[in-house]
Amino acid sequence: QKEVEQNSGPLSVPEGAIASLNCTYSDRGSQSFFWYRQYSGKSPELIMSIYSNGDKEDGRFTAQLNKASQYVSLLIRDSQPSDSATYLCAVTLDTQGGSEKLVFGKGTKLTVNP
Amino acid sequence: GAGVSQTPSNKVTEKGKYVELRCDPISGHTALYWYRQSLGQGPEFLIYFQGTGAADDSGLPNDRFFAVRPEGSVSTLKIQRTERGDSAVYLCASSLTAGQGLINYGYTFGSGTRLTVV
Repeated sequence: QKEVEQNSGPLSVPEGAIASLNCTYSDRGSQSFFWYRQYSGKSPELIMSIYSNGDKEDGRFTAQLNKASQYVSLLIRDSQPSDSATYLCAVTLDTQGGSEKLVFGKGTKLTVNP
Repeated sequence: GAGVSQTPSNKVTEKGKYVELRCDPISGHTALYWYRQSLGQGPEFLIYFQGTGAADDSGLPNDRFFAVRPEGSVSTLKIQRTERGDSAVYLCASSLTAGQGLINYGYTFGSGTRLTVV
């Protein structure tokens, strides 16, 4: 079983719509959860972090966490063509050396159509 | 510098050759990570440094891969006897804290080194 699972998409939404991106994880001990955005040919960029159950809003972005269901989601309101990118879900995995390394999903490719 | 700097940005090498990839983290960041990203995949963990020591090298695929961080700042990822399967984007990331129950604020990634083994 993969540690972090995402629907690889592609997900296509019209401009102005809400884009919903989902992620499940396997390690119940995970404490920190992140969403990264990656444009084609670029490196991942951190856009949201969430640590406790519930919703966290930042501008047009809302992250949702449900630890009981081991589920994280990202909602993008009023989607713009500039939001077109691959969105990576990442979860901390505390292993040797206290690294709290991030384990990434494969990413969901989002296309926002004008 | 303001961000994580990686050099070179692109590296083409012949199968069997030795390569070194360099990472200069954000000043003051004690935690440094190397990841590898293949096309269509998420970044895959390779190794983690806390200061000068490699605290977690569980992601290194085999003994051809080695990394150092001698002064607790710049890190070099070294790959011996390169194989075509090593072709990927190698990403370096740094962060302020790691583990010890401290909040993990996530990483800042560098722009990566695209390694192509021909």
